Amino acid sequence: QKEVEQNSGPLSVPEGAIASLNCTYSDRGSQSFFWYRQYSGKSPELIMFIYSNGDKEDGRFTAQLNKASQYVSLLIRDSQPSDSATYLCAVAGVTGGGNKLTFGTGTQLKVEL
Amino acid sequence: NAGVTQTPKFRILKIGQSMTLQCTQDMNHNYMYWYRQDPGMGLKLIYYSVGAGITDKGEVPNGYNVSRSTTEDFPLRLELAAPSQTSVYFCASSSHMRQGAAQETQYFGPGTRLLVL
Repeated sequence: QKEVEQNSGPLSVPEGAIASLNCTYSDRGSQSFFWYRQYSGKSPELIMFIYSNGDKEDGRFTAQLNKASQYVSLLIRDSQPSDSATYLCAVAGVTGGGNKLTFGTGTQLKVEL
Repeated sequence: NAGVTQTPKFRILKIGQSMTLQCTQDMNHNYMYWYRQDPGMGLKLIYYSVGAGITDKGEVPNGYNVSRSTTEDFPLRLELAAPSQTSVYFCASSSHMRQGAAQETQYFGPGTRLLVL
């Protein structure tokens, strides 16, 4: 049983601070890692994906992957109230057909003024 | 492009009724998926399809059926609705599953909120 674990939160950070969201996964064969943002009542939207160990930066967002520790994180710099949402970590493994993702339960982020 | 569209947006069913949730994508994606999301939970894969005429079960397929007669459409059928099927249903699509490629990214529709009473 593949598992993806996230702290449910809520994680509260002041505006302008760095928000750090963490995710661990159980399947060592996992190859691809995705961070989705989901506003209340809306569908998930992709923020970033990462495949290789290390950091990947895109604007205010940085994804970090450590396959040896089975750990992936998302850093949000200069957090804004508009970043308040639930962040879903998703993990894909090597499959015979279809890119099946396993999702974590999400971390709720609240950016306070 | 409209992306992934789903209908209806909201539906109330009585126990034992049946219905079909519609999903259409205009991105010519081969892969399509159905998920359900219960309150405070992540998404659970119900069924997926790797192309027209090919479908397979996901993590929680019981009580559901799917078909894929065209690349664009992937309807989800609920037979004999039960209160446990009250959830938000999301359809998603992706180009293909070449590992390590951006084409793995799944794009989601707006969702269908289903209430079974």
